[in-house]
Amino acid sequence: EIVMTQSPAILYVSPGERATLSCRASQTITSDLAWYQQKPGLPPRLLIHGTSTRASGVPARFSGSGSGTEFTLTISSLQSEDFAVYYCQQYNDWMYTFGQGTKLEIK
Amino acid sequence: QLQLQESGPGLVRPSETLSLTCTVSGGSISRTTYYWGWIRQPPGKGLEWIGNFFYSGSSFDNPSLKSRLTISVDASKNQFSLRLTFVTAADTAVYFCVRQGGSSWVNGWIDSWGQGTLVTVSS
Repeated sequence: EIVMTQSPAILYVSPGERATLSCRASQTITSDLAWYQQKPGLPPRLLIHGTSTRASGVPARFSGSGSGTEFTLTISSLQSEDFAVYYCQQYNDWMYTFGQGTKLEIK
Repeated sequence: QLQLQESGPGLVRPSETLSLTCTVSGGSISRTTYYWGWIRQPPGKGLEWIGNFFYSGSSFDNPSLKSRLTISVDASKNQFSLRLTFVTAADTAVYFCVRQGGSSWVNGWIDSWGQGTLVTVSS
């Protein structure tokens, strides 16, 4: 099983500032990584797949990068609606696994 | 527009069987080239992949659940189902039915989610 580790667990950022969320895989997953945003009481929403491809309707302020074992989700200028929990997911192995999440909170 | 809707009991007794159904509208399970599946989320915790299938092909199950898990399809009703036997409190979670991004397991990102249904295992 590929273990996905996200950091930090909680990130405090002010509106308008940049947020950088990290995700590390326990073994190489090439670029087979997705990011999701989840708000309370709702299902996760796909933001990015293939490490850097934005899903339909996702604002350009969300960007993904990385390869191999180290990945980053960057939100360039935080809006009020961006404060949520973010999960990464690998699908390089048929046994899909998720990180434990990073909660993005208002500073 | 694709919609997925989970249904089933919200309370299951320990050692009994959890059964959920996902009804798909706005798209056909059997005539479209996607993987479909289930993911769960214990209250206040992260996401766990349960299993998936391609209508005319392969399926994959989480090894930690495989001995208790059955995922089946009723194409005539455009539904698929989850059955998990011998449940314990550790199976308490919100269960989501989902569609993956493509026709191969390597298209493993989830592009559509049901709203989720909370299943509590308790006597």
